[in-house]
Amino acid sequence: DAGITQSPRHKVTETGTPVTLRCHQTENHRYMYWYRQDPGHGLRLIHYSYGVKDTDKGEVSDGYSVSRSKTEDFLLTLESATSSQTSVYFCAIRGTTDTQYFGPGTRLTVL
Amino acid sequence: DQQVKQNSPSLSVQEGRISILNCDYTNSMFDYFLWYKKYPAEGPTFLISISSIKDKNEDGRFTVFLNKSAKHLSLHIVPSQPGDSAVYFCAAINTGGFKTIFGAGTRLFVKA
Repeated sequence: DAGITQSPRHKVTETGTPVTLRCHQTENHRYMYWYRQDPGHGLRLIHYSYGVKDTDKGEVSDGYSVSRSKTEDFLLTLESATSSQTSVYFCAIRGTTDTQYFGPGTRLTVL
Repeated sequence: DQQVKQNSPSLSVQEGRISILNCDYTNSMFDYFLWYKKYPAEGPTFLISISSIKDKNEDGRFTVFLNKSAKHLSLHIVPSQPGDSAVYFCAAINTGGFKTIFGAGTRLFVKA
């Protein structure tokens, strides 16, 4: 158990509304990641963080922003949600090795 | 440009038999490889890994084989059990970087 929680676990929202997903870790890991999982695409990296206030884009970052003001929290924001952002979102941390450990996921539906 | 490819979306195997899941990669800079298992409504969980300096790593019923010249790795599950039914993701890392690249996944069905 890597001590990762995600909130909310499920969310339904309407197109055009802002949405923030939260990832919280209890083990003080430096690296944190946001992925989305879609059928046929596997896990695609949205953004990642390599320290407080240090973030960078992944392969599918358009329409998303992130913030990390504390080591333990990594927030993913959809400024104006679109139906194409309906997905399952996973947060991950990288432990002391190169292995990543995942949270339980947030299922987001944008109507 | 998919750097990590799992060409079989699904695989069906009889309980007790061997399951072989395959993965190909294109980036020769990858030097660490992992397999993750995912059940519905849960996050992926780490299963087994292998460094590029090895060609085999074993953990109980799970063995990962790496063929660097072919840029190919495979996961063997012997014997397969119904509880192994899940989606399996192959992943690769260049340990000098921050990112892990995942394949699209293979859904394994183990029939009782």
